[in-house]
Amino acid sequence: DSGVTQTPKHLITATGQRVTLRCSPRSGDLSVYWYQQSLDQGLQFLIQYYNGEERAKGNILERFSAQQFPDLHSELNLSSLELGDSALYFCASSPRSGGDSPLHFGNGTRLTVT
Amino acid sequence: GEDVEQSLFLSVREGDSSVINCTYTDSSSTYLYWYKQEPGAGLQLLTYIFSNMDMKQDQRLTVLLNKKDKHLSLRIADTQTGDSAIYFCAERYRDDYKLSFGAGTTVTVRA
Repeated sequence: DSGVTQTPKHLITATGQRVTLRCSPRSGDLSVYWYQQSLDQGLQFLIQYYNGEERAKGNILERFSAQQFPDLHSELNLSSLELGDSALYFCASSPRSGGDSPLHFGNGTRLTVT
Repeated sequence: GEDVEQSLFLSVREGDSSVINCTYTDSSSTYLYWYKQEPGAGLQLLTYIFSNMDMKQDQRLTVLLNKKDKHLSLRIADTQTGDSAIYFCAERYRDDYKLSFGAGTTVTVRA
């Protein structure tokens, strides 16, 4: 158990809809990362937050947004969903923002868009 | 550049050693990581190595880093059926925050 909690585990929704994925980092970790894992794209970095502030942005679509709350949990919002958004979404956390701070991953949320 | 490459598949007999290879392109990478993903599960951090090290050993796992060739390997001694999984190599660039992952190597352990 990595200590990173993601909910829900599975999500099935229709095209055009909006969903929210939730992540609770390990106790004491200030940094949260979101990754998307799909068969054709592999593991793609989406966005990182550190202590409530956006720190880095990767291949995140404009239809997607995220935030980190004062209690350090994070949410990833996906809107106007398309079939191609079906993927496994991982959250990871680390104590700090860089350096020798390895990322610990949650078990992911599997999103299926029909 | 940001390009981590791994072979896609490895089949190994139970009890033998597995060696999973990875190449990376950015010489400024500071840390290199190995993660394991079992079916239906998340990514489990196995080990990581700082770029000024050549080797790191942790029980059955040995990581070798060849900075000249930008080559990283993970050796699993006495491979067991529970080692069947996808193994990801990842690098973190200097002054960057994210990890960049390879495509993953699917390791199948046969009896």
